[in-house]
Amino acid sequence: ETGVTQSPTHLIKTRGQQVTLRCSSQSGHNTVSWYQQALGQGPQFIFQYYREEENGRGNFPPRFSGLQFPNYSSELNVNALELDDSALYLCASSSGQVTDTQYFGPGTRLTVL
Amino acid sequence: GNSVTQMEGPVTLSEEAFLTINCTYTATGYPSLFWYVQYPGEGLQLLLKATKADDKGSNKGFEATYRKETTSFHLEKGSVQVSDSAVYFCALITNTGNQFYFGTGTSLTVIP
Repeated sequence: ETGVTQSPTHLIKTRGQQVTLRCSSQSGHNTVSWYQQALGQGPQFIFQYYREEENGRGNFPPRFSGLQFPNYSSELNVNALELDDSALYLCASSSGQVTDTQYFGPGTRLTVL
Repeated sequence: GNSVTQMEGPVTLSEEAFLTINCTYTATGYPSLFWYVQYPGEGLQLLLKATKADDKGSNKGFEATYRKETTSFHLEKGSVQVSDSAVYFCALITNTGNQFYFGTGTSLTVIP
């Protein structure tokens, strides 16, 4: 059974650019959640995808968008990057819409200059 | 609303010392409570969880008891090791929700 993987590991962008982060869910899982973890803070929920549909969203602007593919892998897209978007982006996979068992990937460290 | 408050860090302890990291919560519904651990440069790992009042979660010598009357879920370990050095996050998820609510994290450093 493979775990949750994320790519890339690190990324540097400049303000105004766009970025795509990728997540492969754990085998057998159909749900992916994305979190933003700013330095020194706890993770903040961005949104969740269940069977290719968005299934809940946190307090993030529309320039944060996502996709889930038929194999349940997922992308997080961020447009018009701002300096405050610099953070560790974590994805977590789980089975089902409402579950307390989520498995986190190692994260993508995004730096916006 | 839902929120988690945990004690400010950083915490520095000597090896074999007793550890307590306080966590309190506010939640609608009936939350499940968690402690996650994050080692340097890594993602989050589930340390332990409790899904209802008076449940005790335990793992690797760490324990936490779900106290509904005090809305708390304090993490304890009787004898810490250098390898326990990490950031610890308290979190909740409600029985009607699909997102975790995390505290701000408590950094623990254990010195030999």
